[in-house]
Amino acid sequence: GQQLNQSPQSMFIQEGEDVSMNCTSSSIFNTWLWYKQDPGEGPVLLIALYKAGELTSNGRLTAQFGITRKDSFLNISASIPSDVGIYFCAGQLYQGAQKLVFGQGTRLTINP
Amino acid sequence: DVKVTQSSRYLVKRTGEKVFLECVQDMDHENMFWYRQDPGLGLRLIYFSYDVKMKEKGDIPEGYSVSREKKERFSLILESASTNQTSMYLCASSSQIDGYNEQFFGPGTRLTVL
Repeated sequence: GQQLNQSPQSMFIQEGEDVSMNCTSSSIFNTWLWYKQDPGEGPVLLIALYKAGELTSNGRLTAQFGITRKDSFLNISASIPSDVGIYFCAGQLYQGAQKLVFGQGTRLTINP
Repeated sequence: DVKVTQSSRYLVKRTGEKVFLECVQDMDHENMFWYRQDPGLGLRLIYFSYDVKMKEKGDIPEGYSVSREKKERFSLILESASTNQTSMYLCASSSQIDGYNEQFFGPGTRLTVL
């Protein structure tokens, strides 16, 4: 099945650093979603983006829906230990599509 | 608060056993999904259901079947478990209102097949 190209696959950073990850695709998407998965848990929705160019923040997290509708990025500012986990992007190809296309995930590790 | 629950967090079964994974959501969602998650492969869709008694194959349906007899419950069945089905299984649900598909996930079931 189709997958999104998510990068980087893993990140090892120091506490307090900013983090940036992105997803790209050759297809146009109607909606972009960003999820976080804590170790041993299911993914939790962080941010949903509905319009090309949209920039949305949720605390220290900021995500953008690319203007071409083929990409999205997620930034985390001033990382803290609880940011550790796997971050997934997901896209909905068109409004009404029942399935999501997922990226392979970015595993974030933070050194205190 | 939206809630998706899965019947077991950890499960150990033997090769050849029939395995049932249960998922229940309390949000009156029309859509329900079963994924498996393996390191480096992300989330792969096994089956999904958009209504009671309706189901569609996902990307990796082989070796699995599903059942949806009630709107809130979606079951994944491994007819004859094999060691290559050892994985993390995630259930999700979403609403069809407005045409957007924000999926809400359960905590996952880590299945080991010996």
